[in-house]
Amino acid sequence: NAGVTQTPKFQVLKTGQSMTLQCAQDMNHNSMYWYRQDPGMGLRLIYYSASEGTTDKGEVPNGYNVSRLNKREFSLRLESAAPSQTSVYFCASTWEGQGPIGELFFGEGSRLTVL
Amino acid sequence: AQRVTQPEKLLSVFKGAPVELKCNYSYSGSPELFWYVQYSRQRLQLLLRHISRESIKGFTADLNKGETSFHLKKPFAQEEDSAMYYCALSGKSNYQLIWGAGTKLIIKP
Repeated sequence: NAGVTQTPKFQVLKTGQSMTLQCAQDMNHNSMYWYRQDPGMGLRLIYYSASEGTTDKGEVPNGYNVSRLNKREFSLRLESAAPSQTSVYFCASTWEGQGPIGELFFGEGSRLTVL
Repeated sequence: AQRVTQPEKLLSVFKGAPVELKCNYSYSGSPELFWYVQYSRQRLQLLLRHISRESIKGFTADLNKGETSFHLKKPFAQEEDSAMYYCALSGKSNYQLIWGAGTKLIIKP
C-alpha cells in the first residue's frame, strides 16, 4: 500500500516553462487536494476535487490548473511558471465525499524552484 | 470568518520540560479540530483529532469552546518531538480544512 504518491520530488524550472505534478492514491479515496507550503504561511489550498469528475478552486488557484483523471489520479499543471510559484507542493486525499472532512493523507511533497 | 491562529512560529524547550503549542480558532458553529505533525523529511500526518480524545505519543489536546482554543500539550518533551506542528479546523459544510501557519517545535538536549 503506497498511500499517496506524487512525482516529481524535485524540479527546477525557468520562468515561463510549464510542468505537471502528478499525484496518485491507492486508498479508494473520493476527495483529493493540492496544497502549497510556504514558510510562515502554513498550507494553502490550490485546488481540490471532492469526487471524481469535479474540481474546485481553493484559496490560491491563480496560475494553476488541475485534472481529476480518474478516482486515483489528480494532477496539477503550471502553464507558465513564475518565481512566486517556488514552493513545496503537497497532494492529499481522504475518503469523505461530502461535507466536513476528516483525516487527510499526504504525499511526500514536491519541491519546485522557478528561476 | 473561519480562521485558525497559531501565535508561535517557533517554540524551543528543553528535553523533559512541558510543552504547550497554542491554537485558537474562529468559527461560528461546532468545528472539528485536528493537530497534524511533519517530522523532518517525512510527510505530514495526523497526530490527533479532538473527537477521538486519544493521547498520541504522549500528546493531548482539549477543545475549549469558551476560549475557542485547542492547545496541544505534552508533560515531558522528548527530542523526537522536534517537528513542525499544524492546527487545522474542519467545518460542517465544506470539503476543506482551514490551517494555521504552523509552529516549529525544537527540543533541546
